[in-house]
Amino acid sequence: EVQLVETGGGLIQPGGSLRLSCAASGFTVSSNYMSWVRQAPGKGLEWVSVIYSGGSTYYADSVKGRFTISRDNSKNTLYLQMNSLRAEDTAVYYCAREGHDSSGYYYVGAFDIWGQGTMVTVSS
Amino acid sequence: QSALTQPPSVSGSPGQSVTISCTGTSSDVGSYNRVSWYQQPPGTAPKLMIYEVSNRPSGVPDRFSGSKSGNTASLTISGLQAEDEADYYCSSYTSSSFVVFGGGTKLTVL
Repeated sequence: EVQLVETGGGLIQPGGSLRLSCAASGFTVSSNYMSWVRQAPGKGLEWVSVIYSGGSTYYADSVKGRFTISRDNSKNTLYLQMNSLRAEDTAVYYCAREGHDSSGYYYVGAFDIWGQGTMVTVSS
Repeated sequence: QSALTQPPSVSGSPGQSVTISCTGTSSDVGSYNRVSWYQQPPGTAPKLMIYEVSNRPSGVPDRFSGSKSGNTASLTISGLQAEDEADYYCSSYTSSSFVVFGGGTKLTVL
């Protein structure tokens, strides 16, 4: 079964650090474009970061310089290292896979597989 | 990057059709056929309903359809059912920041 499971969320003080994990099953993380998307309580979706199959990474301006996306191919797991956390980073964080066809054409921005989300609360 | 503009809420009776709009700019919706739509019932993860403006993933009912004109994309749900009640989000590729989402629309089935 194709599945993503996020872990690592919790309550953290402003200025602190947290690492989120996203374990994949049924497909290979390193062969796909993988993103993190977050949703603040009662708010809409916000794209956070992407890592391409080739290893290139991109970030939203709101997290650039503070968050780092990475992956461990041996564990088939995606990560999001979050440093210098702020109250406005409070959200449910989802990992998501970008859809593609069998020839490798990616449907940019079309996330076909999502995890269940992990809650990050930044508060003193 | 500003979010795409969606109406906060729409409603319809069972069997009717509703359309949700998603307005962007020439830097996103207007320039790329990379518009997607997601359905999110309360407390659940988003589900992809439409990709590349008008394509449906396998398993999505053909009651859901997408279109685009200029800087505005639209999602139409025909033959409305109670199970369609959820929040709906559009998204688009953007030249400046990869992906931008709309603010979301709450669909109420009366």
